[in-house]
Amino acid sequence: SQTIHQWPATLVQPVGSPLSLECTVEGTSNPNLYWYRQAAGRGLQLLFYSVGIGQISSEVPQNLSASRPQDRQFILSSKKLLLSDSGFYLCAWSVLRNQPQHFGDGTRLSIL
Amino acid sequence: AQTVTQSQPEMSVQEAETVTLSCTYDTSESDYYLFWYKQPPSRQMILVIRQEAYKQQNATENRFSVNFQKAAKSFSLKISDSQLGDAAMYFCAYGRVNNNDMRFGAGTRLTVKP
Repeated sequence: SQTIHQWPATLVQPVGSPLSLECTVEGTSNPNLYWYRQAAGRGLQLLFYSVGIGQISSEVPQNLSASRPQDRQFILSSKKLLLSDSGFYLCAWSVLRNQPQHFGDGTRLSIL
Repeated sequence: AQTVTQSQPEMSVQEAETVTLSCTYDTSESDYYLFWYKQPPSRQMILVIRQEAYKQQNATENRFSVNFQKAAKSFSLKISDSQLGDAAMYFCAYGRVNNNDMRFGAGTRLTVKP
């Protein structure tokens, strides 16, 4: 069966520090991969998606970036975090576009 | 642009009763997908039910069913025989065909009273 791992679960970082959140999927090949951000009490905002290794599409201009160095690995990064980057970050995968997306457990990021 | 609106920030239901969560969306597309996701306090997003726009029949998954009104662009979720474990945030989502952009509503917080 397919599983998705996302870590860390929580992270507290100072403003201006770098960021690296990792997400890996097991049990499937060539998945579509997604990074979402959920602000407190809000819905999900799609940040990045990837349909293959090295293929990244950005939905929202910001100081975050994403990379897909391996088929089932998706990384969310930042060189210098802002206070506005605080939130709950969710990684997800799907087999095909618009098929149900399966979510990781999320990372709660707090910027001090 | 496609938008998804959930007009009920909070809803409550008595255990074993039925509750309906509302969702409307805006689109010019004729074919698309609609989803309801559940997010319990653990924050994990769990797919509840999925509807293809080209299907007229309303989707059903055990105690969960939808009322899909394509002309009205409405996609409500009905939870029958509510259980304490149904308490969560519920998100309505819209997805275009052959497009990775999925739009989520702001969510409805459902409380189940024993």
